[in-house]
Amino acid sequence: AQKVTQAQTEISVVEKEDVTLDCVYETRDTTYYLFWYKQPPSGELVFLIRRNSFDEQNEISGRYSWNFQKSTSSFNFTITASQVVDSAVYFCALTLNQAGTALIFGKGTTLSVSS
Amino acid sequence: KAGVTQTPRYLIKTRGQQVTLSCSPISGHRSVSWYQQTPGQGLQFLFEYFSETQRNKGNFPGRFSGRQFSNSRSEMNVSTLELGDSALYLCASSLAQSAGASSYNEQFFGPGTRLTVL
Repeated sequence: AQKVTQAQTEISVVEKEDVTLDCVYETRDTTYYLFWYKQPPSGELVFLIRRNSFDEQNEISGRYSWNFQKSTSSFNFTITASQVVDSAVYFCALTLNQAGTALIFGKGTTLSVSS
Repeated sequence: KAGVTQTPRYLIKTRGQQVTLSCSPISGHRSVSWYQQTPGQGLQFLFEYFSETQRNKGNFPGRFSGRQFSNSRSEMNVSTLELGDSALYLCASSLAQSAGASSYNEQFFGPGTRLTVL
């Protein structure tokens, strides 16, 4: 069975601190896709990144970076120099190589950034 | 380009009633998926529709059903409501195509419908 675990339920940091959100996934499939979504207080999920199982290159987008390691089945997300606007719930998700778009979500990590 | 829209945004029903939620995808998107979000269970996949056909289904009872129209708009219906059905129902659309795998496609989410069952 497939599963996504986000062990950190809540994280609180002060502005300008770096913070890493952990994501561990389980699947026996060799082809799969990993995603991160952000859910601000408004409730709408916002897509952040997609990674396929054959691409282990790390990615950086501004203050955001992602570290994908198949050896540990992890897809961690780091925010550098956090800002108050980063406060949200962050979800890691997994989908398999199939027709259809069913996402398997982790329980989410609530990030609170204070000024 | 307009985003995914969901109506109504808030809904209050009583146990035993039924409810219909509506979702209009981004223009050109033919895949619509529905998710239920609760504090206890988190985000769970309900079902996906593509070209008016249900393509995937999550592990929910038959009281949860849906359909998709020829213009890709989708509705979700919950019959015989239970207290545990209180949740945020999110709709997502994507450019997923009919042929081959499409699970890599980014999904665009709507603001959700907050359903409260009393």
